Amino acid sequence: DAGITQSPRHKVTETGTPVTLRCHQTENHRYMYWYRQDPGHGLRLIHYSYGVKDTDKGEVSDGYSVSRSKTEDFLLTLESATSSQTSVYFCAIRGPRLDYGYTFGSGTRLTVV
Amino acid sequence: QKEVEQNSGPLSVPEGAIASLNCTYSDRGSQSFFWYRQYSGKSPELIMFIYSNGDKEDGRFTAQLNKASQYVSLLIRDSQPSDSATYLCAVRENQGGKLIFGQGTELSVKP
Repeated sequence: DAGITQSPRHKVTETGTPVTLRCHQTENHRYMYWYRQDPGHGLRLIHYSYGVKDTDKGEVSDGYSVSRSKTEDFLLTLESATSSQTSVYFCAIRGPRLDYGYTFGSGTRLTVV
Repeated sequence: QKEVEQNSGPLSVPEGAIASLNCTYSDRGSQSFFWYRQYSGKSPELIMFIYSNGDKEDGRFTAQLNKASQYVSLLIRDSQPSDSATYLCAVRENQGGKLIFGQGTELSVKP
């Protein structure tokens, strides 16, 4: 999607290994979000950032950590991957006004085996 | 726990009909409401937002908001097979500004 890219697009990893997903934006937006999407659960917020080095937890943050050392990059790390973290992960960005919706990246499909 | 509720469907309508998608929310202080469309295997795409009571029209799409009833809906007129997708309702939290998403309604438009 224009202005926001996620990498990798697909990943298969083994239980117990650490995994890092990357979100990169070229819009210079302050707000960035990580969601996971699972059947029957919709989009659930994992972590979000409101500036460089400013992050906070969402509703499903256990087992995940994030970092934002530059405005353009927001990293999501699964510290020790479990099968329950098999999901599609979406990054989103938001412009400065509250009536702006989010723009989503293309997503990362993660499978933990 | 702030909630956004949608009927998961699937909602099936014939081509050319009006599709009506509904959403209720629990945070009475919410001010901004969004509809996203998500095709299978793709990311959500913003199609409408509304923040005033009443109707907002954009082409074949009409968003309707009733804050007293905590209810927001999306009407799709002259539905086309290309409208077949999952539609996500999102409500911005009054405190904090984050979006809370419903589970989505799957729409199928039959030729």
